[in-house]
Amino acid sequence: QVHLQESGPGLVKPSETLSLTCTIFGYSINSDYYWGWLRQPPGQGLEWVGTIFHTGTTYYNPSLNSRVTVSIDSSKVQFSLKVTSVTAADTAVYFCARKAARSGAFDLWGQGAMVTVSS
Amino acid sequence: AIQLTQSPSSLSASVGDRVTITCRASQGISRSLAWYQQKPGKAPNLLIYDASSVKSGVPSRFSGSGSGTDFSLTISSLQPEDFVTYYCQHFNSYPLTFGGGTKVEIK
Repeated sequence: QVHLQESGPGLVKPSETLSLTCTIFGYSINSDYYWGWLRQPPGQGLEWVGTIFHTGTTYYNPSLNSRVTVSIDSSKVQFSLKVTSVTAADTAVYFCARKAARSGAFDLWGQGAMVTVSS
Repeated sequence: AIQLTQSPSSLSASVGDRVTITCRASQGISRSLAWYQQKPGKAPNLLIYDASSVKSGVPSRFSGSGSGTDFSLTISSLQPEDFVTYYCQHFNSYPLTFGGGTKVEIK
């Protein structure tokens, strides 16, 4: 059964770079799906961060001011998120998720990883 | 960016009630809308895609409708496990955005 798992540091200092990896179990990245990152600050709603296709084409939320990079690992079973110059406003639960190529809905999600930005 | 306005932001209802949550888009998005359910401390779970298509395995009490700018999610008979938060999301164009959420509480 396919599932996703986020991993990475739970604490990042202000001005540094947040790095997370999503491991895909039971599947490998191909043309059927896009792979994305979303986040949810404590007690708040959901925000889309960025999405990548198997070709390497990426789409990012302009609200993050070009601080975001999403990439696919050469193994094709992991993809990653980097957010540079973080502030307390980047504190959130970060989810990785799968989106069907023909649809924009995220049909499979990881359990989420809490990342706190604090010195 | 397309804005999604969900209403109400919260509602109180009883087990067995029929409830409807609405989602209005700031511009036409055809039928490019999804609905998610999120339980506390968990990832969102897709319920509805393409405005009215129910994801396999989702109980039949959940239904979606609408097109253009106005959409709705209806739960025909609330069950105890349905008292959680619901979000709409459009996928008409990038950036993808979500509604602010609707928390369904027990009356």
